[in-house]
Amino acid sequence: EPEVTQTPSHQVTQMGQEVILRCVPISNHLYFYWYRQILGQKVEFLVSFYNNEISEKSEIFDDQFSVERPDGSNFTLKIRSTKLEDSAMYFCASSERGGLNEKLFFGSGTQLSVL
Amino acid sequence: SQQGEEDPQALSIQEGENATMNCSYKTSINNLQWYRQNSGRGLVHLILIRSNEREKHSGRLRVTLDTSKKSSSLLITASRAADTASYFCAARSAGNNRKLIWGLGTSLAVNP
Repeated sequence: EPEVTQTPSHQVTQMGQEVILRCVPISNHLYFYWYRQILGQKVEFLVSFYNNEISEKSEIFDDQFSVERPDGSNFTLKIRSTKLEDSAMYFCASSERGGLNEKLFFGSGTQLSVL
Repeated sequence: SQQGEEDPQALSIQEGENATMNCSYKTSINNLQWYRQNSGRGLVHLILIRSNEREKHSGRLRVTLDTSKKSSSLLITASRAADTASYFCAARSAGNNRKLIWGLGTSLAVNP
């Protein structure tokens, strides 16, 4: 079965540094998402992306965050100046058409640790 | 409290037994989805039930939805050790937004 791939699996960074988390969604999918899960807490929606623009974002997704689809295959999440509280598992997901009753396909996540 | 609350938070059963996990939510929904997460891995979609459906089956999984009580349950029958994982419900609110609101999850341990 096709899958969403994320790299790296683990990222350690110093507070204030920029990080880029990378995702390769399933090739024929059109909607892309980032979610995060802080240890012991709920999975939280960050942003959805369609047709090269953000379609929806949460309160968490402030000016420190940005997303990009630099080419036809990658989908990236950039955190400009990381904070300790950004430490979390970040999941990328994609769906075929973004229909309300479609399932999401998730990657295995990037564990981000901000020191 | 937030949408998508599961109970129990942890469940330990013997192989062959059934496991039931419950989820409650707060607002009107388009659908409710259940996902599974093995330790340190991604979220795997298990089953989706639409707001106009009451019950759905997929293999050993049975999901029910009671919109009057704003609750859902996931039943895994004849559990196996390989079912050991965390199970999350995620609600898609009514309307056009596409974000999913997640619960904290139920950690299921199936003992051989």
